[in-house]
Amino acid sequence: EAGVTQSPRYAVLQEGQAVSFWCDPISGHDTLYWYQQPRDQGPQLLVYFRDEAVIDNSQLPSDRFSAVRPKGTNSTLKIQSAKQGDTATYLCASSPGTGGTEVFFGKGTRLTVV
Amino acid sequence: QQKVQQSPESLIVPEGGMASLNCTSSDRNVDYFWWYRQHSGKSPKMLMSIFSNGEKEEGRFTVHLNKASLHTSLHIRDSQPSDSALYLCAASKPGSFNKLTFGAGTRLAVCP
Repeated sequence: EAGVTQSPRYAVLQEGQAVSFWCDPISGHDTLYWYQQPRDQGPQLLVYFRDEAVIDNSQLPSDRFSAVRPKGTNSTLKIQSAKQGDTATYLCASSPGTGGTEVFFGKGTRLTVV
Repeated sequence: QQKVQQSPESLIVPEGGMASLNCTSSDRNVDYFWWYRQHSGKSPKMLMSIFSNGEKEEGRFTVHLNKASLHTSLHIRDSQPSDSALYLCAASKPGSFNKLTFGAGTRLAVCP
């Protein structure tokens, strides 16, 4: 069974540049999550979807970050104007979404903003 | 504010020793606790989850949960150098579609 697929694996940007991250969840998983993980810290939820609907985006910096999941399958997270403070690994995860079921993580995209 | 607190921040144990990691939630609405392991440069992988009071054992790993105090602990016996990793505790609430709230993690180093 294929896992959660993310691309690109790495990105290096200058401040002010834009970047998009792509995620393909495990087939059949209705729920998709985007987490931000600064180096040596725990992942922090940015946004998550149930099918194509946003369930919670309260931690997404809305002025520069956006996320979509238009057909309830793949998802894209975009940073419009990157800042050095955005340097982190961006993890996509998916699960069936029912209580107690495992959340599976992709390998992540390591973003460095210089 | 961090709703899931982990301790210690880092831990060094000798090969073959016992590692004990702690985690507490300040949110009384959580029902499941999760332990994930993340090797350097890799994605988090689930080790164990626990819902009920008491203890759950899988191989060298044992998880305890006290629901009254919302405290969980992970114990690794016969620790191996390959156990060296960041251990993440997470909690989820009913009706949240398994949204995980993570702690900051415990960095475990097992020395040969």
